[in-house]
Parts: sequence; structure tokens; C-alpha cells
Amino acid sequence: ETGVTQTPRHLVMGMTNKKSLKCEQHLGHNAMYWYKQSAKKPLELMFVYSLEERVENNSVPSRFSPECPNSSHLFLHLHTLQPEDSALYLCASSQDPALRDGYTFGSGTRLTVV
Amino acid sequence: DQQVKQNSPSLSVQEGRISILNCDYTNSMFDYFLWYKKYPAEGPTFLISISSIKDKNEDGRFTVFLNKSAKHLSLHIVPSQPGDSAVYFCAASGGYGGATNKLIFGTGTLLAVQP
Repeated sequence: ETGVTQTPRHLVMGMTNKKSLKCEQHLGHNAMYWYKQSAKKPLELMFVYSLEERVENNSVPSRFSPECPNSSHLFLHLHTLQPEDSALYLCASSQDPALRDGYTFGSGTRLTVV
Repeated sequence: DQQVKQNSPSLSVQEGRISILNCDYTNSMFDYFLWYKKYPAEGPTFLISISSIKDKNEDGRFTVFLNKSAKHLSLHIVPSQPGDSAVYFCAASGGYGGATNKLIFGTGTLLAVQP
């Protein structure tokens, strides 16, 4: 596989569930990102990992917990979410710090919290 | 406070005509600007970029113009094709400290090219 792969593509979960989103990149990049896309809002940066270290956390609620075990994998662990957390969650990678070609995004996970 | 703004949520254009998508920003320290294109059920894909030292960058049917004094950039697509129908996101980078660059995105503009 090439590029950035996200699984699952769709996820429906109850507010008391615990689930995880997975992202994998095969581009040799050393920075990975989680973005949230809600309707009529900009893509919101949630977390940034550079060389497997979290370098940014944009005031994201603790019910979202990221994990980056190596430079190719990124997880977003979810627990006790709220209905307003329903959104498209996008993973991206880049060759930090160069941004001439920007980020490479995955196809996203469409999350619905019921 | 949105630092990158796309004030037109949607745009409809006839096939063959020019599409102009606009983007405004507030942070004068941004030094690199990008446009991404997003189809439904897919992630955004990089389209074209421009450095703040330039005022124009062209790639085939796509041209991005940057007006630094007005803090405004635009994406021109000519001629527009039905396959160009997608959401277009403007993004900016630079102006921040920290270990990595990061992209600040606008809200997107949905372009519909009518056959």
C-alpha cells in the first residue's frame, strides 16, 4: 500500500463506548497529524507528532487520546464521546518541516456518535 | 478567530468558463499558501501552492494569485471542467514557532461546474 491509509472508513459508536482510529503512512514522512472536519467549519488541527513525539495539542478534550508508536502509525483513542464529536477525522503526514507539497491526507474516518 | 477565511461557501460555474475561488488571511507572517481539493469520501489532495515571495504561480489550468498587501489569494481554474467539481480548501503556513510547520485551513468552497 502507498500513501496514507485510515481505518475504519466509517464508525458509529455510543457515548459510553471506547474505540480507536488508525492511521498508517508509507511515505517515509516523519510528522503525522490528526485533523477534525465538521460541517461548515475549517479543518481543525487536533494533534501533531514529529519524530514520534507529540509537539502540539490544540486544546483537545481528554476524551481524545492520540498515540504514535512509530513514525508510520498514528492512533486516536476515543472514549465517552459526545454527539457533537461526530465529524470526519483526517490523518495527514508530511516531511517535517518542509511543506512545499503540503500534507498528504488519508481518506478520513466518518465518525457518528449516538 | 479564523486566520484563513473563504467567504464563499459555494460557487457554480459553466463548463469552459473561468472559476475564481477566493481566500483571505489575517496573519501577515504566513509565508506559504496552498490550495487543496477534496472530493466526497476522500481526503484533501494538494493542488497548487505559492510562496510569499511570489505573486503568481501557474500549473496547467490552475493559477494562484497572491496579493500580500491585501492579504488575499485566489485560485483561477480555466477552462473549468465538470471533474473540477469539489470542495476547495485554502491553507496557509508559517508565522508560528515550534518544532513543526502546520497548515491553517479555511472553511472550503464547494465548486460545481455545470456541463
